[in-house]
Amino acid sequence: DAGVIQSPRHEVTEMGQEVTLRCKPISGHNSLFWYRQTMMRGLELLIYFNNNVPIDDSGMPEDRFSAKMPNASFSTLKIQPSEPRDSAVYFCASSPWDPNQPQHFGDGTRLSIL
Amino acid sequence: GDSVTQMEGPVTLSEEAFLTINCTYTATGYPSLFWYVQYPGEGLQLLLKATKADDKGSNKGFEATYRKETTSFHLEKGSVQVSDSAVYFCALSEGDGNNRKLIWGLGTSLAVNP
Repeated sequence: DAGVIQSPRHEVTEMGQEVTLRCKPISGHNSLFWYRQTMMRGLELLIYFNNNVPIDDSGMPEDRFSAKMPNASFSTLKIQPSEPRDSAVYFCASSPWDPNQPQHFGDGTRLSIL
Repeated sequence: GDSVTQMEGPVTLSEEAFLTINCTYTATGYPSLFWYVQYPGEGLQLLLKATKADDKGSNKGFEATYRKETTSFHLEKGSVQVSDSAVYFCALSEGDGNNRKLIWGLGTSLAVNP
């Protein structure tokens, strides 16, 4: 079975540009999570969805960040405008709607804002 | 709120040494507990889990027992290999109803030398 698919794997862009990260969750998983990982802050939960509905976006750092899940098989995380401090690895994860089941992570998008 | 505390790293061991990575938690209710592993350049992947008190999760020679009386879920391996070098994360499931997510420890980096 295909795992969580993220694109692009790497993104380098200049500050001020719009960045869009994409995620395809595992088919049949109800929940989708966006994380950011940096050396300074570790792993941070940005936002998560259940059945395509955003449940908790309290981890989104500022209004420059937005996330959508238009259907069960696709989600985007957008940063506009981007800043150098947004440089990080961004992970998408999905899971069934069962607290005993683990989250499955994609390989991440390594984002560098120059 | 719920929280997870892991021992700080980095942990450096020689091959075939015994490994313990401590993890304690605070939680209301009875969460499921997880250990995830992150190899360099990859996303996190589930290593093992336990869903109720006294359960022992095991995988690839790693073990952890859900100890409710000490609120702990320490990760152990009897004989580590160079290939075990990675970052290990302890996590617990939190929430109910429509609001469920994982609470993460900060991660413990393990380096195993030949």
